[in-house]
Amino acid sequence: SAVISQKPSRDICQRGTSLTIQCQVDSQVTMMFWYRQQPGQSLTLIATANQGSEATYESGFVIDKFPISRPNLTFSTLTVSNLSPEDSSIYLCSVVGLTYNEQFFGPGTRLTVL
Amino acid sequence: AQKVTQAQTEISVVEKEDVTLDCVYETRDTTYYLFWYKQPPSGELVFLIRRNSFDEQNEISGRYSWNFQKSTSSFNFTITASQVVDSAVYFCALSGTLTGNQFYFGTGTSLTVIP
Repeated sequence: SAVISQKPSRDICQRGTSLTIQCQVDSQVTMMFWYRQQPGQSLTLIATANQGSEATYESGFVIDKFPISRPNLTFSTLTVSNLSPEDSSIYLCSVVGLTYNEQFFGPGTRLTVL
Repeated sequence: AQKVTQAQTEISVVEKEDVTLDCVYETRDTTYYLFWYKQPPSGELVFLIRRNSFDEQNEISGRYSWNFQKSTSSFNFTITASQVVDSAVYFCALSGTLTGNQFYFGTGTSLTVIP
């Protein structure tokens, strides 16, 4: 299984600022994803982080609000821009392992926007 | 369309009781995978099991068992002799080749085990 770390584990931010979340995997993986989990809700896929190219965003999510980088096969960042209280959520990085369709999740970043 | 339904929003049981969490799915894929994840209050998602669409054999792991029935598009999860540590939100998920490995999660079932 892949071991995934995320930084920061939690943060409290002011409205209008931005937060960048880092995701580091201990092995090379083909696919990396970013999810959002709003309070009491299920997971919603934000985007697929593509290595060396622009991320693929799901409906309702745009690059200006959620810019994503993936410079190599083990690292990705998600920035949540122009924060509002509605962005208060847990943000999770996940990867698909070398064994097809094993998906592992990072510990999540708990964001609170005041 | 890919869809996962967990009709039970919240369940409470008394410790040592058995409990079954329901999961019903929809997919056009002929090859697909079903998963269960546990999310304890700490927030991390813990992988529990993966089944592929060609393997309908039921699986048991300790106090956990899973019943996969393609005829009813269900993948139910039973905890036997529940314990307080089983209290968590449990998510059922689906992925398939038609959707490029994208995972579809159900809305989750919050299980509370009362001591």
